[in-house]
Amino acid sequence: GAVVSQHPSRVICKSGTSVKIECRSLDFQATTMFWYRQFPKQSLMLMATSNEGSKATYEQGVEKDKFLINHASLTLSTLTVTSAHPEDSSFYICSAAPSRGQVINEQFFGPGTRLTVL
Amino acid sequence: GIQVEQSPPDLILQEGANSTLRCNFSDSVNNLQWFHQNPWGQLINLFYIPSGTKQNGRLSATTVATERYSLLYISSSQTTDSGVYFCAVIAGTYKYIFGTGTRLKVLA
Repeated sequence: GAVVSQHPSRVICKSGTSVKIECRSLDFQATTMFWYRQFPKQSLMLMATSNEGSKATYEQGVEKDKFLINHASLTLSTLTVTSAHPEDSSFYICSAAPSRGQVINEQFFGPGTRLTVL
Repeated sequence: GIQVEQSPPDLILQEGANSTLRCNFSDSVNNLQWFHQNPWGQLINLFYIPSGTKQNGRLSATTVATERYSLLYISSSQTTDSGVYFCAVIAGTYKYIFGTGTRLKVLA
């Protein structure tokens, strides 16, 4: 149980294009999903918290107009990197927290999406 | 904000050896998890351990919340244990703060 998928696993795009990444909780409902970014040989940094039915909460320094997040259902959140540039190249990982009232304990992570912007 | 430091940053072991990885955090935490990130980038939950001791096969973990540290023990290491080990904590809010990571390489 507690499986999270991401699609695509890898994407290469040209500078200036937009890329959408999907995060799905396959066997549980997730009121809250999280988006992280990981640069090579570095730790994971939280970008934003995605709440079903409401606007995402972005961490300081993360441009909300560049990284659009939509959490349309209890099993799906999407991250769209708009007008991507080479500096946006990174490994993007989502996680989902099972809905248990207002308490969030464990998070379960997707396999990640490697974005390369040429 | 809370700081999460892991040690050692890098570790090379011969297959069969034991090791201890440490996670120090600078403030009280509500939750703590240990993860293994495999060479393909997948984060694998190892332990959800805000306090106490847990064991799962060759792995075990201990969190001493009052002293603000957690330890991950790997016994009889195998080449498949290679990768990066992260601890992550939640302090006060629901957001995870990841540690700096320990990069482990197990040699055959």
